[in-house]
Amino acid sequence: KNEVEQSPQNLTAQEGEFITINCSYSVGISALHWLQQHPGGGIVSLFMLSSGKKKHGRLIATINIQEKHSSLHITASHPRDSAVYICAETNYGGSQGNLIFGKGTKLSVKP
Amino acid sequence: DAGVTQSPTHLIKTRGQQVTLRCSPKSGHDTVSWYQQALGQGPQFIFQYYEEEERQRGNFPDRFSGHQFPNYSSELNVNALLLGDSALYLCASSAQGRAYYGYTFGSGTRLTVV
Repeated sequence: KNEVEQSPQNLTAQEGEFITINCSYSVGISALHWLQQHPGGGIVSLFMLSSGKKKHGRLIATINIQEKHSSLHITASHPRDSAVYICAETNYGGSQGNLIFGKGTKLSVKP
Repeated sequence: DAGVTQSPTHLIKTRGQQVTLRCSPKSGHDTVSWYQQALGQGPQFIFQYYEEEERQRGNFPDRFSGHQFPNYSSELNVNALLLGDSALYLCASSAQGRAYYGYTFGSGTRLTVV
């Protein structure tokens, strides 16, 4: 059974702090996704990665395939980064796969 | 370029009723997946439609059914609603056969069953 575990469940930080959210998965994957969900409910895709590291602005995502672990880092955090960050995996198996989600990490950045 | 559009945004239904939710995929996408997200939980995969057929299904009862139209838009139908069906229903679109399998999500339909 595919399982995606995230930690921590809740995270409170002061503006400017460096933030790390962790994700572990249980079986081999085709891709690992990091997504952001704001209180309104809509989900925005931040990263999709299958190896190495990706960077977009203040966000960095890394993955270690051997350890089945991924991290999302936010540098110089800001109150507008407050949201739920969700890790999800896809195992395509040669066709379009579906996403298996973690429960999310609720991040609150205080000014 | 419109993203994924879901309607309605909010809905209140009575237990035992039936509901239909709608999703229009992003332009250029031909695959639609539906997810259910209970409060405080991650989304759970319901099913995926491509070429007007259900291609994959998650662990949801037959009360949950769907349809995809020739223009790639999709409907999610839930019969005999239960209180436990109250959740945010998310639609995600993607493109089959592309090297980069990206997903675009709608803002969701919040269903409340009373």
